[in-house]
This record gives sequence, structure tokens and C-alpha cells, in this order.
Amino acid sequence: AQSVTQLDSQVPVFEEAPVELRCNYSSSVSVYLFWYVQYPNQGLQLLLKYLSGSTLVKGINGFEAEFNKSQTSFHLRKPSVHISDTAEYFCAVSKYNFNKFYFGSGTKLNVKP
Amino acid sequence: EAGVTQFPSHSVIEKGQTVTLRCDPISGHDNLYWYRRVMGKEIKFLLHFVKESKQDESGMPNNRFLAERTGGTYSTLKVQPAELEDSGVYFCASSQDVRDTIYFGEGSWLTVV
Repeated sequence: AQSVTQLDSQVPVFEEAPVELRCNYSSSVSVYLFWYVQYPNQGLQLLLKYLSGSTLVKGINGFEAEFNKSQTSFHLRKPSVHISDTAEYFCAVSKYNFNKFYFGSGTKLNVKP
Repeated sequence: EAGVTQFPSHSVIEKGQTVTLRCDPISGHDNLYWYRRVMGKEIKFLLHFVKESKQDESGMPNNRFLAERTGGTYSTLKVQPAELEDSGVYFCASSQDVRDTIYFGEGSWLTVV
């Protein structure tokens, strides 16, 4: 079975500071990894995904994530956050058939001026 | 192009009543998914349709939940009778091919009192 852990339920950060949102997963098989973002009153939007190849993945809005197989992690980073990045971020994994995502419990990023 | 639309956006019902949630996927998307997020917990998979067929319904909690997708277009998720623990946000998502990006709706907030 697959499981995803997002240890930080809330992350407060000042505008223009760097941020890292942590995600660890466990799986007995190879998985694909995703980060989704939910802005207030909106649906989930794909930020980035890792399927294969380079372990450093770049996504939208200046976010990037690095797949670390030995540490079973897929942490999300941004070097300088904006107020508009305030949202809830979800890490997710899926098996090769893509038909089912396993999500973490979410991390609320609160960017302060 | 219209995104995934869900109706109603919010619903408050009494325990024992019936609620039907509707999802209109993006036009042309054969794959339709239902997910649920109970308060503060992770988003969990409920089921996956390919056109009108249930590909995977392993996440359906119990037989009080019934999902349909007649004609392979929109889908409904009926909860009958509703229980307090059914409260949460129900997300619908769709994709053209199973390996394509999955697009989520804004969710239907269900509160059972």
C-alpha cells in the first residue's frame, strides 16, 4: 500500500523568504509523485509532477521539487514566495496505472507581508 | 473551455436524509474520478469511471454511497442515508487519458447535522 506524509500542517513565512514543504512517501512499488495546490475557493491545480528522468522537477509559479529515492521524499521548494502563494499544498503519489492518487493531509502555506 | 464543474457547492442536510452530488467533467474526458476529504484529513480516492464503466470503486466507504455515470458524460454521487461522518468535501476530477493531467473541480462541501 502507498501512503504519503506531510509533516507540517501549517507553514507561516514572510513574503520573499524561501520555503520548503516536506513530503515523504512509502510504497512497495515504484510510484509517480505530484504536488497539487488549492487556492481559496478553487479546485486542486497541478503544480508539478515526477514521472521519470531528472530528479529535479520544475513546475508552475516558480516552484520546484526534488525526488529523493533513498529518502523517499519529494519536498517542494520556492526560493522567494509571494502573498499570492498563500494556499494549501498537497503531495500525492500514484502507481504506474495512474488511476488512483494517494494524497497527504496537506500543508497550509501562509505568506505574511 | 469549461473546467470540471460540481453542484451543489455547499449542502447542509440532516442525518438520515439523501443528498446527490453532480459532476460535469471537461468535455471529451473519458476518465472521471471522485475523491473525498473528511475534515482535516487527507483526500481519499472513492472511485474511477472510464466512460460509463466503473474501473475501480475500491474507495467507496460502504453501500450508502452510489455513483453513476449514465451515458459516460456527467456523474452523480448519492449518499443515502447520510451519516454525520459523511461530512466533508467531495472532489470530482477528470482526464482525457489515464496518463494525462487530472483536472479537479472546486469540490462540493457536505455538512451532515
